[in-house]
Amino acid sequence: EIVMTQSPATLSVSPGERATLSCRASQSVSGHLAWYQQIPGQAPRLLIYGASTRATGISGRFSGTGSGTEFTLSISNLQSEDLAVYYCLQYSNWPPGTFGQGTKLEIK
Amino acid sequence: QVQLQESGPGLVKPSETLSLTCTVSGGSIISGSYYWNWIRQRPGKGLEWIGYVYSGGSSNYNPSLKSRVAISLDTSANQFSLNLNAVTAADTAVYYCARATAALYYFDYWGQGTLITVSS
Repeated sequence: EIVMTQSPATLSVSPGERATLSCRASQSVSGHLAWYQQIPGQAPRLLIYGASTRATGISGRFSGTGSGTEFTLSISNLQSEDLAVYYCLQYSNWPPGTFGQGTKLEIK
Repeated sequence: QVQLQESGPGLVKPSETLSLTCTVSGGSIISGSYYWNWIRQRPGKGLEWIGYVYSGGSSNYNPSLKSRVAISLDTSANQFSLNLNAVTAADTAVYYCARATAALYYFDYWGQGTLITVSS
């Protein structure tokens, strides 16, 4: 099973600044990587798929980069509604896709 | 726009069977090539894939749950269901249903989730 490791576990960023979240795979997943946002009390929402393609309706403030084993989710001009836990998902070796353990984004 | 909605009992007794249903609207569950999944999230924890049923009827399960789980289609009601037997307190979680498209495999549509508590 491919293990996904996210860092940091918690990230605190001021409004208007940029947040950078990382996800590392235990073996190459090529570009088969998705990012999800889970606002407290809500279901996960798809942000990014194919490592860098924004899902329908997702703000341009969210961007994804990377391939192979190293991936990054960047959120620019941070806003209060971005408070959430962010998960990466590899779907190269599916089933099962495997999720990272999540990064909790706090707003300073 | 596809929408998914979970329904279930809320409370299940230890050793009994947990049964959940996901109602799909905005499209037929047997048209197209889709995987209909169940995913759970234990309190304060991350996301765990439970299994799927394909629009053609085949299924696949997480090896850690395989001996206790069954997922099936109800085409007449445009629903799919999860049965998890011999539950314990460790099965207490929010259960989500979600769709993945064949050849893409990421989960694009999710239900809002339903909390299942296992307790006597």
